[in-house]
Amino acid sequence: DAKTTQPTSMDCAEGRAANLPCNHSTISGNEYVYWYRQIHSQGPQYIIHGLKNNETNEMASLIITEDRKSSTLILPHATLRDTAVYYCIVRGGGSQGNLIFGKGTKLSVKP
Amino acid sequence: GAGVSQSPSNKVTEKGKDVELRCDPISGHTALYWYRQSLGQGLEFLIYFQGNSAPDKSGLPSDRFSAERTGGSVSTLTIQRTQQEDSAVYLCASSLLSGRRGTEAFFGQGTRLTVV
Repeated sequence: DAKTTQPTSMDCAEGRAANLPCNHSTISGNEYVYWYRQIHSQGPQYIIHGLKNNETNEMASLIITEDRKSSTLILPHATLRDTAVYYCIVRGGGSQGNLIFGKGTKLSVKP
Repeated sequence: GAGVSQSPSNKVTEKGKDVELRCDPISGHTALYWYRQSLGQGLEFLIYFQGNSAPDKSGLPSDRFSAERTGGSVSTLTIQRTQQEDSAVYLCASSLLSGRRGTEAFFGQGTRLTVV
């Protein structure tokens, strides 16, 4: 079973920041938080991951709370092309590196 | 190409026939995953190969499903005696085995299986 909880759906206005929350209260010390997204009819696409520090790349920022029980993916300036299902996944290292997808959050970016 | 390659891209088969789906991971990637996705549904985990360790088969839905990974590279997912409910997109992904740093998984474009 997925170890994360996400809202089923969210809306965001084009050009505004999209903040997608994720709860992972049972995360253990060696598990990373990963975010993927799936645009309609395509394979999932990696976005970002982190362990305990906040991370930023060209696509998004990842904010992880100090207790690591929750995180937020931030798309700073959402576009219509960011409409997708966003998955938050907890994944261990080495032999615990399985990727189990939950139901994700359907983000709809509206003009 | 440098990405994960799956073949065939589309497969139509008659109920009761066996099918084999192929996945060529990115060269050097030691972890390989299989998922299926029915229309409008999320990704359902099937099996996970991790280097030389025994695969995690906990997601295989029945004994009609099996997978192997030869030589630590190419993987084949086999579905025996296909049923209509097996119709779905079957996705494969690969990644470097995580060490001290997690690494992202790259997905293929999938095989769309239709059982008629």
